[in-house]
Amino acid sequence: DTAVSQTPKYLVTQMGNDKSIKCEQNLGHDTMYWYKQDSKKFLKIMFSYNNKELIINETVPNRFSPKSPDKAHLNLHINSLELGDSAVYFCASSRNSGMTYEQYFGPGTRLTVT
Amino acid sequence: KNEVEQSPQNLTAQEGEFITINCSYSVGISALHWLQQHPGGGIVSLFMLSSGKKKHGRLIATINIQEKHSSLHITASHPRDSAVYICAVQGAQKLVFGQGTRLTINP
Repeated sequence: DTAVSQTPKYLVTQMGNDKSIKCEQNLGHDTMYWYKQDSKKFLKIMFSYNNKELIINETVPNRFSPKSPDKAHLNLHINSLELGDSAVYFCASSRNSGMTYEQYFGPGTRLTVT
Repeated sequence: KNEVEQSPQNLTAQEGEFITINCSYSVGISALHWLQQHPGGGIVSLFMLSSGKKKHGRLIATINIQEKHSSLHITASHPRDSAVYICAVQGAQKLVFGQGTRLTINP
């Protein structure tokens, strides 16, 4: 069974479009994250949710809007896509955010904006 | 300057060699993570440590909190160890990542 799953795995779209990436975890974790990995493979946190509540928003443009319908799901919606949004987006989860716990990563979604 | 610095950025070695990857950080942390990113892109957590040393198979991770430094060692390296190894420090509910070390083990 996949612990953290993301869909789609690849996403190619044109500038100006709106797209969504979905993430689900079946680990019973309270905390979920979105990370962006740029072309130099550098990872950076975007958002973190704990029990459906936003706890970290790391100066991400307003065009990015995370939504957590329940604690097992954290989706990422991106409006008005720009070339600079091309990257690999990773979802992850951990038991909770209050203490230090191992994080489990999804397989990543490679977004290409043309 | 990044809060988390790894060295070397690239490392090529022969099968069987002992590998060391270093990580230095400049902020207070509650834990340090070592991650492995396979050529296919998936990320796997190898270790999470806040003091001392941990061992898993041929992998050993150490941390010195006073010196703000951690090392990841691979003994008897194998071509399947070829991957990007990423150090990440945990503080204030989030991970801050190093730039990664690309390791290539030649047969």
